[in-house]
Amino acid sequence: SQQGEEDPQALSIQEGENATMNCSYKTSINNLQWYRQNSGRGLVHLILIRSNEREKHSGRLRVTLDTSKKSSSLLITASRAADTASYFCATEGRGSTLGRLYFGRGTQLTVWP
Amino acid sequence: DTGVSQDPRHKITKRGQNVTFRCDPISEHNRLYWYRQTLGQGPEFLTYFQNEAQLEKSRLLSDRFSAERPKGSFSTLEIQRTEQGDSAMYLCASSLERSTDTQYFGPGTRLTVL
Repeated sequence: SQQGEEDPQALSIQEGENATMNCSYKTSINNLQWYRQNSGRGLVHLILIRSNEREKHSGRLRVTLDTSKKSSSLLITASRAADTASYFCATEGRGSTLGRLYFGRGTQLTVWP
Repeated sequence: DTGVSQDPRHKITKRGQNVTFRCDPISEHNRLYWYRQTLGQGPEFLTYFQNEAQLEKSRLLSDRFSAERPKGSFSTLEIQRTEQGDSAMYLCASSLERSTDTQYFGPGTRLTVL
């Protein structure tokens, strides 16, 4: 399966702290994407990193990709209570022309005020 | 709001009934995806359209499920003879044609089968 797996499954931190979530996958990829989902809502796209990229930044988000280890990490700096949500990584397989995404089970992040 | 809309947002039905969901993608997006998400899991791919052509179907999509995108714009997902195991969030996403383009997700339709 190409399905990504996030680690940890749950993370609880105080406001202002940094949150790091990891994702591992099994096959070669075109790209890896991170999404956020608030409880019972749809997914919000956070960032896409292509297989030839190693790091990307977007605001308080930093994503790294290590294709040799088939892993990625998402760092949220200076977390806020509003960051409380589930975070999913999703991979698109190499050679895919269809854009089908494979999701992990997610990391549930709770940020306490 | 990503620009992808889904209707209804919630549906409660009795086992054995048929249900239909609608997805309106972002207008210039020619790719449309359906995913299913059960509690505590990530979304799982169901099917994919490029314009009006349905190009791929997951094994999760049994013969009770059918999806259409008749004019390459909105899409419908119908479930016939619903079962309790069909209870889930059904998510629609759309993107431009290039495979490295972002998929934008709608808010989902939560189906509960009693």
